[in-house]
Amino acid sequence: EIVLTQSPATLSLSPGQRATLSCRASQSVSSYLAWYQQKPGQAPRLLIYDASNRATGIPARFSGSGSGTDFTLTINSLEPEDFAVYYCQQHSNWPPITFGQGTRLEIK
Amino acid sequence: DVQVVESGGGLVQPGGSLRLSCAASRFTFSSDSMNWVRQAPGKGLEWVSYISSSSNTIYYADSVKGRFTISRDNAKNSLYLQMNSLRDEDTAVYYCARTLGSYKYYGMDVWGQGTTVTVSS
Repeated sequence: EIVLTQSPATLSLSPGQRATLSCRASQSVSSYLAWYQQKPGQAPRLLIYDASNRATGIPARFSGSGSGTDFTLTINSLEPEDFAVYYCQQHSNWPPITFGQGTRLEIK
Repeated sequence: DVQVVESGGGLVQPGGSLRLSCAASRFTFSSDSMNWVRQAPGKGLEWVSYISSSSNTIYYADSVKGRFTISRDNAKNSLYLQMNSLRDEDTAVYYCARTLGSYKYYGMDVWGQGTTVTVSS
């Protein structure tokens, strides 16, 4: 089973700043990695698929990069609605599909 | 809007059974593979099961294999999860989610609001 490790666990930033979230896989997942955003009491929302492709309706300030074992989700110029928990998910060698433990992006 | 709506959650004793349903609308359900994903209270996301559009391919997480059964009825635009031999650790919000990609798995792009399953005596 591929283990995804996200860092940091919590990131404290202010609106307007740039957020950089990391996801590291225990073995190569090629580019088969997705990112999700989850707000309290809501379902997850797909942001990025195949490491760098924005899902439908996702603002351009969200971008993904990486391949192999190291991936990054970057959020430029944070908006108040961006403060949430972010998960990475791999679908390279599955089943099982696995998620990272999440990064909480909080307002500083 | 494209949507899926889960139902069937509730309180059940350890060892009991429950059947979750997911009703899909405003997309061609029969063309899309589907998933169940769960989230224990205060915890992260855990993939539970996958079913292809024609039900030919089915996968389970090891944690539920042999106890849970995924199925679908394309004529009714519905997805199901039969959960037997429930354990305390199955307590979670269960989400139904559509797979993005007809011939390739890109991720899960349509999620319901979830249905809560509580296993407790």
